[in-house]
Amino acid sequence: DAKTTQPTSMDCAEGRAANLPCNHSTISGNEYVYWYRQIHSQGPQYIIHGLKNNETNEMASLIITEDRKSSTLILPHATLRDTAVYYCIVRVGRGGSNYKLTFGKGTLLTVNP
Amino acid sequence: NAGVTQTPKFQVLKTGQSMTLQCAQDMNHEYMSWYRQDPGMGLRLIHYSVGAGITDQGEVPNGYNVSRSTTEDFPLRLLSAAPSQTSVYFCASSYAKDRSLAKNIQYFGAGTRLSVL
Repeated sequence: DAKTTQPTSMDCAEGRAANLPCNHSTISGNEYVYWYRQIHSQGPQYIIHGLKNNETNEMASLIITEDRKSSTLILPHATLRDTAVYYCIVRVGRGGSNYKLTFGKGTLLTVNP
Repeated sequence: NAGVTQTPKFQVLKTGQSMTLQCAQDMNHEYMSWYRQDPGMGLRLIHYSVGAGITDQGEVPNGYNVSRSTTEDFPLRLLSAAPSQTSVYFCASSYAKDRSLAKNIQYFGAGTRLSVL
């Protein structure tokens, strides 16, 4: 799995967009970018994933740069309940047999009232 | 669907006691796993299973046993609890067929908080 680098912490005002960056400069062609989050005292929760195109679902949007060396998770209208640690994970998609997710330290996003 | 259900939510044990942490999923997922989470250590994989009757060790398997007799259940057994096993334990599951993309979309339970005195 490619190494990822995320800021340790970020703040965001409630109702504003939260943009969480992730650097994965050594990503290879068959690796996807996955985002999870962990709200305090809960289990990790899958958010979104992508290969090279921008992706959007009901939770968030994922923007991947053209060279795929970095990505940004966007929470369009952050709420207090979005306060959590956000993990960017780069993994081989199809064809890999390793199921272990490596979460790293992630970014603590604090949404302020 | 209830998703991934873990019981109990909290447990206190004395050193040397044994117990089983339960994990059940109702999504017909082939893959199930156990992680432990300690402050400053992130999540570490204990054991995993890619289907009924198949289990394998993760990175920190010592002191834990697992079995997978059904697709739905994946219990984690502590044979003789030690203070070093004080942690939060998470069970996770995902599809695993044909090494598909979905194997990286894992669903986690709410966790079991274990203290060993």
